[in-house]
Amino acid sequence: EVQLQESGPGLVKPSQSLSLTCSVTGYSITSSYRWNWIRKFPGNKLEWMGYINSAGSTNYNPSLKSRISITRDTSKNQFFLQVNSVTTEDTATYYCARWGTRDYWGQGVMVTVSS
Amino acid sequence: DVVMTQTPPSLSVAIGQSVSISCKSSQSLVASDKNTYLNWLLQSPGRSPKRLIYQVSKLDSGVPDRFSGSGSEKDFTLKISRVEAEDLGVYYCLQGTHLPRTFGGGTKLELK
Repeated sequence: EVQLQESGPGLVKPSQSLSLTCSVTGYSITSSYRWNWIRKFPGNKLEWMGYINSAGSTNYNPSLKSRISITRDTSKNQFFLQVNSVTTEDTATYYCARWGTRDYWGQGVMVTVSS
Repeated sequence: DVVMTQTPPSLSVAIGQSVSISCKSSQSLVASDKNTYLNWLLQSPGRSPKRLIYQVSKLDSGVPDRFSGSGSEKDFTLKISRVEAEDLGVYYCLQGTHLPRTFGGGTKLELK
């Protein structure tokens, strides 16, 4: 069974960088599919942030393009999210997900941006 | 970006009642391969979002046939027949045709 799990700090100070890890088990991230980051803001709004595909190419939401980076470590079967220069507007629950023939989501990690 | 307008923002229902949720996109969701990539997801309380329907009307494995999706081009509907307690939560439409992927604003389904 494919499983994804996010990890990272729950509190980040404004102007710093937010870094999260998505650990994948049950499927190699280099085999196929696009591996996504999505966030849910307080309230109901969901935002797709970007993906890294099985070949290592990335695509980012233009609303974040100057601040976001998605990378991976194939030896650990993990992919990563970095968001630079965070503000309180980046407070959200962050999810990693594989979308395709079946969807798999992590359980989410809540990140608060506050001094 | 494709704007996904989802209505209503909330629904109050009784168990056994049927409901419909609308999702309208600002652009056609028909892709170059002729498929229409419109998904419906449910986020139950305390859980991650879960896809229920993909490509407008195809049910994911394990999803009860009380759920159905319909529509085309820019106008889509999710129908839930005979709502059960496990159906409560927030429903989202998600378009997968254009980049960036975009979600509807959500419809919160609550018990009356």
